[in-house]
Amino acid sequence: EVQLVESGGGLVQPGGSLRLSCATSGFTFSDYWMDWVRQAPGKGLEWVANINQDGSVKYYVDAVKGRFTISRDNAKNSLYLQMNSLRSEDTAVYYCSRALEVWGQGTLVTVSS
Amino acid sequence: DIQMTQSPSSLSASVGDRVTITCRASQGITNQLGWYQQKPGKAPKRLIYLASSLHSGVPSRFRGSGSGTEFTLTISSLQPEDFATYHCLQYKSYPRTFGGGTKVEIK
Repeated sequence: EVQLVESGGGLVQPGGSLRLSCATSGFTFSDYWMDWVRQAPGKGLEWVANINQDGSVKYYVDAVKGRFTISRDNAKNSLYLQMNSLRSEDTAVYYCSRALEVWGQGTLVTVSS
Repeated sequence: DIQMTQSPSSLSASVGDRVTITCRASQGITNQLGWYQQKPGKAPKRLIYLASSLHSGVPSRFRGSGSGTEFTLTISSLQPEDFATYHCLQYKSYPRTFGGGTKVEIK
C-alpha cells in the first residue's frame, strides 16, 4: 500500500523557519516526481513546489521562491520542504504528493506571533 | 501563469442527480488536466487524469471530458458519498494551478 506521511508542522513566529518531512513507503520512491501542495484554512489548493527523481530539477511557485527549498533523500524514501522567512500567509495544511496522484494526510503550519 | 476558472463555486443537488462542473483554462493546456475530490479535513483524492482517464478504483459514474481550454467533470448519478469539494488542476506548465473548487452540497 502506498503511504505518504508528513511531519514537522507546528506553530512558528513570522520570520522563523520550519522543515517539513514526508516519509513514504509502498512504492519505489526514486522513480517518481514529488510535489508539495498547501491549503490555507478555508481556501483552495495551491501547488508549492516539485522535484524530479534524482533531485536535479526543482520548480517553485513565485510566492515561495527564495524562501522555500524542496529536497529529497532517495536512500531514506523521504521528501523535505525547508521553509525560511515564514509569513502569516504561509499558514496552511501542507500536503506531500507522489506526482499529484497520491497524497499524504497533511501537516498544519501556523505562522503567528 | 495559467488561470483555472472553475464553476459553479457551489451547488446543491439530490442523490441520483446528474452533476456537471466546469473548468476553463486561460490558455490551452491540451489534455493536461486532473480532477480531485476532497472531503472536510481530508486530503484530496485524484478522480481523473489526462482530462478523461479514470483513476484506479474510482467509480464509473465519474466522467471527465474536454481539451484545450474547456473541461467538464460529470457525476452521472450523485451518491451520498459524493458530497464533497471538487478541484481541477492543470499540469501543462509551471506553476501548476488549481481551480477555485466546487462544493457539492446536499439539497
